Amino acid sequence: AQSVTQLGSHVSVSEGALVLLRCNYSSSVPPYLFWYVQYPNQGLQLLLKYTTGATLVKGINGFEAEFKKSETSFHLTKPSAHMSDAAEYFCAVSVNNNDMRFGAGTRLTVKP
Amino acid sequence: GAGVSQSPRYKVAKRGQDVALRCDPISGHVSLFWYQQALGQGPEFLTYFQNEAQLDKSGLPSDRFFAERPEGSVSTLKIQRTQQEDSAVYLCASSLYRGLYNEQFFGPGTRLTVL
Repeated sequence: AQSVTQLGSHVSVSEGALVLLRCNYSSSVPPYLFWYVQYPNQGLQLLLKYTTGATLVKGINGFEAEFKKSETSFHLTKPSAHMSDAAEYFCAVSVNNNDMRFGAGTRLTVKP
Repeated sequence: GAGVSQSPRYKVAKRGQDVALRCDPISGHVSLFWYQQALGQGPEFLTYFQNEAQLDKSGLPSDRFFAERPEGSVSTLKIQRTQQEDSAVYLCASSLYRGLYNEQFFGPGTRLTVL
């Protein structure tokens, strides 16, 4: 079965600094990979997804992630953090149409 | 409506009480998903509907959990004889079609607290 591990339950960066949120997956077949963001009292919102093709995926709000099969990773990055990026971020993996497995989440704090 | 809505947003139940959680998906969305999110954890898949058919209920933790979507739109997740371990946020999501090329849109969730 597929699974996801997010390294670091809390990440704190300064405004303008690089954001790096780590995600490693386990899957016996080629996976689909996702990053979701959850703002307080709101539903999860899709940031970006990898299905097939180009391994560098660009998403909303300046985020991007790179699928590295050799490292079984799908880390999320943003060159310059903004205060509005403070939220909970979830990595997810799926190998079929209905069963999406989420990581435990990483809470991003942005310091002024 | 513009998005997925869920009601109630907060529910407090005494242990042993039955609860019903409602999900209104985006109009026209064929697929509907329920997830359970425990405190400090990511969402965990509970069940999946395609129209009114419940195609996957492998994530339901016990036979106390029951979900339905009788007319292929609104869905209800029912938990009978609630236990403290049922305390969590219950998320509903819908997508236009089946398949991961179709984004799942999530509702704000219902926070259930069982005393």
